[in-house]
Amino acid sequence: DTGVSQNPRHKITKRGQNVTFRCDPISEHNRLYWYRQTLGQGPEFLTYFQNEAQLEKSRLLSDRFSAERPKGSFSTLEIQRTEQGDSAMYLCASSLVGGVEAFFGQGTRLTVV
Amino acid sequence: GESVGLHLPTLSVQEGDNSIINCAYSNSASDYFIWYKQESGKGPQFIIDIRSNMDKRQGQRVTVLLNKTVKHLSLQIAATQPGDSAVYFCAEMGIENAGNMLTFGGGTRLMVKP
Repeated sequence: DTGVSQNPRHKITKRGQNVTFRCDPISEHNRLYWYRQTLGQGPEFLTYFQNEAQLEKSRLLSDRFSAERPKGSFSTLEIQRTEQGDSAMYLCASSLVGGVEAFFGQGTRLTVV
Repeated sequence: GESVGLHLPTLSVQEGDNSIINCAYSNSASDYFIWYKQESGKGPQFIIDIRSNMDKRQGQRVTVLLNKTVKHLSLQIAATQPGDSAVYFCAEMGIENAGNMLTFGGGTRLMVKP
């Protein structure tokens, strides 16, 4: 297993467009997390899944943000009607239930122009 | 590579010296405190954790100290190497608080001079 994989690594989009990012977690990990990181800041929690169930989504930044994990394996994060303020690094992490260590992917850098 | 943070506090040390990175945390109810290392263009990488009922934990070349009285966490790196150059973040975690979500503090950039 090569760790948590995120695609694409970079995405440039025009304001108002929709974007979707993909995360493939470590295969035996049943928890998957999405974080957002802006320059100079630590990652900020957005949402998480346990298997296919999204158990916390109140911290998604607006109703333009949504995430899915349909089969309990890979996950997607979608941002609709992107705004310049959405420009950031979007990080995915995975862990075992009860695990303290979360493994992060390399992130998707979103630039909204 | 891509910069993780442009205006972070910076600690500059000579190769071979010991480094101490400090963090103030806010939530006394957190169960774990964790240090992550983030290199340019990469996601955070777990270094070491400490449970809230402990005050010291040692790993390979790293030691984490927890002072709950003043809500202070520190990471000590022995014999700092150029590969240790990165941004270091402390994070708090409450067991089963949103599935062990992490709350990150501000980062510190460590620069190791050869």
